[in-house]
Amino acid sequence: SQKIEQNSEALNIQEGKTATLTCNYTNYSPAYLQWYRQDPGRGPVFLLLIRENEKEKRKERLKVTFDTTLKQSLFHITASQPADSATYLCALGPGSGNTPLVFGKGTRLSVIA
Amino acid sequence: NAGVMQNPRHLVRRRGQEARLRCSPMKGHSHVYWYRQLPEEGLKFMVYLQKENIIDESGMPKERFSAEFPKEGPSILRIQQVVRGDSAAYFCASSPRRDRDRDIQYFGAGTRLSVL
Repeated sequence: SQKIEQNSEALNIQEGKTATLTCNYTNYSPAYLQWYRQDPGRGPVFLLLIRENEKEKRKERLKVTFDTTLKQSLFHITASQPADSATYLCALGPGSGNTPLVFGKGTRLSVIA
Repeated sequence: NAGVMQNPRHLVRRRGQEARLRCSPMKGHSHVYWYRQLPEEGLKFMVYLQKENIIDESGMPKERFSAEFPKEGPSILRIQQVVRGDSAAYFCASSPRRDRDRDIQYFGAGTRLSVL
């Protein structure tokens, strides 16, 4: 059966360190993978998209990798800050162009000052 | 440019009543998606619509739930005869038609439905 798993429900790290979140999937061949941030009581906010033919994407302090052989994406936040504390969602795009997303349950990140 | 607008933000209904959730997509977006999020669960796809068309309703329960996106006005998710298990946060997302950005979905703040 199809599954998308994020490595842990919660992750606590010290301010200034790099946070690494993992997203693994089985029985999917996604055209792309996205990461969203969700704060309590709010809707998800798009962060980064990486396509199946891309290995790595960066945006400011964020970096995403995508390994279609391992069926895994890693999401890194460097020089983490307390303001980065939120739940981070991994989402697969099964097909290209206006298709529904398949979400993981999310990892709740807490950055401690 | 206003984002995706959902209303109401909170909705309380008694068992057996109807719930109507509204979503106005971002300006220029013609694709709307509805997702449901239960506590401690991930977002689950329900239905995907374009103006006046349901494209994919594979995630929608077969009974009591319906969705529309009329030519004029917001998209509506309707839940008839609500039950306690319908209590959840319902999120709407929209995406543009342009090739470059069409894979990115922009979410509203959600409607939190509580069924008493």
